[in-house]
Amino acid sequence: GAGVSQSPSNKVTEKGKDVELRCDPISGHTALYWYRQSLGQGLEFLIYFQGNSAPDKSGLPSDRFSAERTGGSVSTLTIQRTQQEDSAVYLCASSFRGQIYLENTGELFFGEGSRLTVL
Amino acid sequence: DAKTTQPTSMDCAEGRAANLPCNHSTISGNEYVYWYRQIHSQGPQYIIHGLKNNETNEMASLIITEDRKSSTLILPHATLRDTAVYYCIVRGRSGNTPLVFGKGTRLSVIA
Repeated sequence: GAGVSQSPSNKVTEKGKDVELRCDPISGHTALYWYRQSLGQGLEFLIYFQGNSAPDKSGLPSDRFSAERTGGSVSTLTIQRTQQEDSAVYLCASSFRGQIYLENTGELFFGEGSRLTVL
Repeated sequence: DAKTTQPTSMDCAEGRAANLPCNHSTISGNEYVYWYRQIHSQGPQYIIHGLKNNETNEMASLIITEDRKSSTLILPHATLRDTAVYYCIVRGRSGNTPLVFGKGTRLSVIA
């Protein structure tokens, strides 16, 4: 597609359940980022992928959170045993990172987000 | 932590220029200044970025001071649709570090 696609757009779940959020980046974009935004708050960085590896996962709030990326494309963010404080909009972004420095504009393209509500 | 300081909120009359300031006094030589905005219930949108020269595109102009310690984003003719939170971010261009979003400036364009 033309932009970053995220699914589901809305997810309501019960406390203690596991959820999976999916991100389809822009074709050809090698870098992928997950952020979350709680109600009325700023964006909180979670994890960054370059290809299929995650050189920076420093923002994951606990071991209940994990993410993977396969084929250098689609990424899945998994939250196990969800808690009410996990309720937020989870945003995915992608960017192009070429081999030549000048190819890297540093611009991130964001999806519309997945709104997670934990009851 | 964000390396930038922005006012919490600003108002601007529709049709007038909106000038959004940002302080980044600890910016290093290889870091760029990026501006993004987030309209309510949407993901952030890239606006513009620059290193040391002033930049202009179809959305906005970016004025960076000679010492690079501050910058101003200019929306030349603000419309109601420009109401959003505007984020000023400093970051290297290599793409191997995440954008760190601060609180941003909530711009309200008033009819």
